[in-house]
Amino acid sequence: GAVVSQHPSWVICKSGTSVKIECRSLDFQATTMFWYRQFPKQSLMLMATSNEGSKATYEQGVEKDKFLINHASLTLSTLTVTSAHPEDSSFYICSARGSDRGHSPLHFGNGTRLTVT
Amino acid sequence: GDSVTQMEGPVTLSEEAFLTINCTYTATGYPSLFWYVQYPGEGLQLLLKATKADDKGSNKGFEATYRKETTSFHLEKGSVQVSDSAVYFCALRPSGNTPLVFGKGTRLSVIA
Repeated sequence: GAVVSQHPSWVICKSGTSVKIECRSLDFQATTMFWYRQFPKQSLMLMATSNEGSKATYEQGVEKDKFLINHASLTLSTLTVTSAHPEDSSFYICSARGSDRGHSPLHFGNGTRLTVT
Repeated sequence: GDSVTQMEGPVTLSEEAFLTINCTYTATGYPSLFWYVQYPGEGLQLLLKATKADDKGSNKGFEATYRKETTSFHLEKGSVQVSDSAVYFCALRPSGNTPLVFGKGTRLSVIA
């Protein structure tokens, strides 16, 4: 079945550094990818929607300059947390959908746990 | 806006017990409803879905019925196993290619 690979699965970084998280669709072309964030004991919150070849659409309250999303190819989207701070520590998860808009299932990566010290 | 409310966990059950995880939603229009499961160390996987009122989604012994009158999509399983231990997320998709709206997740622990 369709697989989405997310890397790294966990990362610890120092405050002020940047961290890049990759999300790859391994056996299908992902025209749309969604990035979610989950705080402890809270629901998955949508951060942004990215369509291949165009700028990401960010949800209200999400800083686009801090959370840089690049969806340069049909199989890869990246989320870069710039100048990370401890409050950015969270679980980030990506999901991807194929080209059959709205009808193909959504596949999720395993998530990345980011800890900023 | 659209939202999903599901019962808070953790839920601890003995093997072969009956499971119900409540989920209610608020949405305009006619959303599709989903249950996702996240096993330890893995990503979210679609467990079952229903796209219109009175539809019943089922998979791996789990069932959920789309009840428009009560805006609910409760997850049930008649006899849980230890391998069902996971976090379960109820979600809705308002329409088409819109992103999912998730509940907070319910952690289920099944003990032998």
